[in-house]
Amino acid sequence: TQLLEQSPQFLSIQEGENLTVYCNSSSVFSSLQWYRQEPGEGPVLLVTVVTGGEVKKLKRLTFQFGDARKDSSLHITAAQPGDTGLYLCAGSYQGAQKLVFGQGTRLTINP
Amino acid sequence: NAGVMQNPRHLVRRRGQEARLRCSPMKGHSHVYWYRQLPEEGLKFMVYLQKENIIDESGMPKERFSAEFPKEGPSILRIQQVVRGDSAAYFCASSLDRGRAYEQYFGPGTRLTVT
Repeated sequence: TQLLEQSPQFLSIQEGENLTVYCNSSSVFSSLQWYRQEPGEGPVLLVTVVTGGEVKKLKRLTFQFGDARKDSSLHITAAQPGDTGLYLCAGSYQGAQKLVFGQGTRLTINP
Repeated sequence: NAGVMQNPRHLVRRRGQEARLRCSPMKGHSHVYWYRQLPEEGLKFMVYLQKENIIDESGMPKERFSAEFPKEGPSILRIQQVVRGDSAAYFCASSLDRGRAYEQYFGPGTRLTVT
């Protein structure tokens, strides 16, 4: 069974601080996605990474894929209350189309 | 609306009734996936379909659950004789083609409550 471990599960910080969320597995991914989910809504795709060592930036969000393609991180700079939400990582494995999700990081940014 | 559409958004069923959840994929997408999110748990894969074909149903419970994606019309997830443990949010996702199947776009979900 392929598992994705996200940490931390909960994070509450003040506006303006920086934070990093981690996603780890013992298996190699062929691709990894980060999603954000608001209460009562479906996950919204933020980014896809497919190459080991790949770094992608989306405004204040920086996504990194580990060299061995077993882990990923999401770094937010100068967090804002609008960043509050549930962040999910999801991986796909070679030869499979289904996504395996981590349990999520519930992020709260306090004004 | 070019996004993935699901209906109904909320569905209440009594134990023993049938639940039918519908999903229309994003325009141009021919691959559909169903996931279930139980309260306080992550999303779990259920089934992957292409038009008229079930490709991977490794996450589907063996009994009472079925899915289809007909040549015309939406994909349907059917749950027969619902039980309280079926209460969950059911999400549909779609992708463009097999080569980019990992880029899945999700609908808003159907929240099923079994009373």
